[in-house]
Amino acid sequence: DAMVIQNPRYQVTQFGKPVTLSCSQTLNHNVMYWYQQKSSQAPKLLFHYYDKDFNNEADTPDNFQSRRPNTSFCFLDIRSPGLGDAAMYLCATSGRQGNEKLFFGSGTQLSVL
Amino acid sequence: SQELEQSPQSLIVQEGKNLTINCTSSKTLYGLYWYKQKYGEGLIFLMMLQKGGEEKSHEKITAKLDEKKQQSSLHITASQPSHAGIYLCGATGTSYGKLTFGQGTILTVHP
Repeated sequence: DAMVIQNPRYQVTQFGKPVTLSCSQTLNHNVMYWYQQKSSQAPKLLFHYYDKDFNNEADTPDNFQSRRPNTSFCFLDIRSPGLGDAAMYLCATSGRQGNEKLFFGSGTQLSVL
Repeated sequence: SQELEQSPQSLIVQEGKNLTINCTSSKTLYGLYWYKQKYGEGLIFLMMLQKGGEEKSHEKITAKLDEKKQQSSLHITASQPSHAGIYLCGATGTSYGKLTFGQGTILTVHP
């Protein structure tokens, strides 16, 4: 089935050690999003790609970067994770047309030790 | 920016009972989405509403959007333990994507 796949499901990293989370999609969607969801909070949009165009949210820390080498893959890089970056990271995709729903992956739960 | 407030924050019901979750926006909505999330997992799409006064149903879940497009409700009839989870409303202020979410409603259904 077409879907959004996130790897790994759980990621443990050390304070300050760079970490990369990955997302792939078989939906051939133009738009890919990264959301951060801390415990008991709403998902918060970090940035999104519209095709190859990167769109950063104004309050996303510089510590967070993203790459989209092709339509299918998108990566979230955290350059120097802090304890406050421990969260669920959700990848989502949508088509180019207006009012299309977002398809979410199962998320990557990041722990920072 | 779009701000969404959900109520209640949590809800505990007995199996078989009906329940309603509300979502209120500070601005007129372009599109209103309902998602369900099981603890520690991704979001599953339930329904999308766009037109004022619109109502959609799927199985035992009904979602409505008011005429002014600033308030939505999600109603579950004859709740079951499988309905348990976190219900999130999300909204777009423009024609595509960039959902802003409410803080979620945690639903517990006791058998």
